[in-house]
Amino acid sequence: SAVISQKPSRDICQRGTSLTIQCQVDSQVTMMFWYRQQPGQSLTLIATANQGSEATYESGFVIDKFPISRPNLTFSTLTVSNMSPEDSSIYLCSVSGESNGNTIYFGEGSWLTVV
Amino acid sequence: RKEVEQDPGPFNVPEGATVAFNCTYSNSASQSFFWYRQDCRKEPKLLMSVYSSGNEDGRFTAQLNRASQYISLLIRDSKLSDSATYLCAVRRGSTLGRLYFGRGTQLTVWP
Repeated sequence: SAVISQKPSRDICQRGTSLTIQCQVDSQVTMMFWYRQQPGQSLTLIATANQGSEATYESGFVIDKFPISRPNLTFSTLTVSNMSPEDSSIYLCSVSGESNGNTIYFGEGSWLTVV
Repeated sequence: RKEVEQDPGPFNVPEGATVAFNCTYSNSASQSFFWYRQDCRKEPKLLMSVYSSGNEDGRFTAQLNRASQYISLLIRDSKLSDSATYLCAVRRGSTLGRLYFGRGTQLTVWP
C-alpha cells in the first residue's frame, strides 16, 4: 500500500489563526481526499483534491474556510482558516489509485486543537 | 437518512467470544464495501473488503446482503488486541470514488 505522510501530526492553535496540513504520498495516486473526524464522530469528507484544478467540496464545506491545493499526483495541502474551537478535530488525508488496488488508505492524521 | 448506519455499541465481550457487527447502507447504487479498524487516536486501517459471496480472513468473516442492503462483520475467538472501533464503509459506482463511513462500533474485549 502507499505510504502517506502527514504533517503536522498534532498542533494546538489560537482561535482566529490558520493552519496548513501537508500530505505526501510515496507514489503517484489518482485520488486524494481530505476527511475530518470530530471527537466521537465518524469520518466526514471535506473535499476531493483534484490535481491541477480546484478541489471538489462536499456540502457544508467551502473553499474560503478549507482551501486545498494539489500541485501534483503525490502531494496535497489542506488549510483550516480562521480557526474556532469547533474546528478541533483530526484531519485525515486519504488516497486511492490503481497502484494500490483502488483501496482507500489513510495518513496518520493531524490532531488539531483550537484554544 | 444517513448513507451508512452502524450499530454504535459499545460491545464488551470476554476473550474467546464471538461478536458480530452490522451496518446498513441507503444507496442501492453502492458497489464496494469495506470494514476498517480504528484504534484510539489512530487513523482508520483497512481490515478487509467485503465481497458479494462473503469472505473470510482468519477469525474475521465479512458478509454482504445486497437485497437488504447490509454488511456484517463476525469476529470469532476474540482477542484482547481486537479492542478497537470498527467502521464500515461503502463506495458508489466508481472504483476510485470517495467512501461513506458509518459512525463506528466500539469493541472492548476483556480478559
